[in-house]
Amino acid sequence: GAGVSQSPRYKVAKRGQDVALRCDPISGHVSLFWYQQALGQGPEFLTYFQNEAQLDKSGLPSDRFFAERPEGSVSTLKIQRTQQEDSAVYLCASSARQRSYEQYFGPGTRLTVT
Amino acid sequence: DQQVKQNSPSLSVQEGRISILNCDYTNSMFDYFLWYKKYPAEGPTFLISISSIKDKNEDGRFTVFLNKSAKHLSLHIVPSQPGDSAVYFCAASVGNKLVFGAGTILRVKS
Repeated sequence: GAGVSQSPRYKVAKRGQDVALRCDPISGHVSLFWYQQALGQGPEFLTYFQNEAQLDKSGLPSDRFFAERPEGSVSTLKIQRTQQEDSAVYLCASSARQRSYEQYFGPGTRLTVT
Repeated sequence: DQQVKQNSPSLSVQEGRISILNCDYTNSMFDYFLWYKKYPAEGPTFLISISSIKDKNEDGRFTVFLNKSAKHLSLHIVPSQPGDSAVYFCAASVGNKLVFGAGTILRVKS
């Protein structure tokens, strides 16, 4: 399949551990987005890349959250010193265009912090 | 501050009938509106969109209506099928991000 893939699909971390979540966007897609989805809520924007440039990180909830896309394709979302409130599904999306609509989402990584 | 609201957490419809999902928004700067469909353990799937300069967009069984003066949009599914049972998210585009509603669970009964 040529869709967006994410790994791992499930991650359990003890409070205080660092985690890294990976996203492989659709090949050739310029734009990449990360969202956080809490239980019973819609996805909430975290950050946006256009190629390798992180153009918007206004949604990152704290400086414990860090994202990168060094070669303009694969992206990693890193959460340092995880807290229980970080438990959520982390969704990655990519788009062929520079505008945000018609984003294609991966299946998400469910993070549980115990 | 919820800029996009879906006030109905769930909706149940008989197969073959019309499903109408509603969404309200507050930000006049939104320039595109989208509907996404989500099955359990999968990411949201793009369904249909509408530009803020249009009032209707149709794609097969799916039609989205936009009422800018009321800051309201709706998704009509006709006829509804059991495979349409999923969570439907309304989303609005501003700048480089999408703002999502909390979702409506649609159940289509056969």
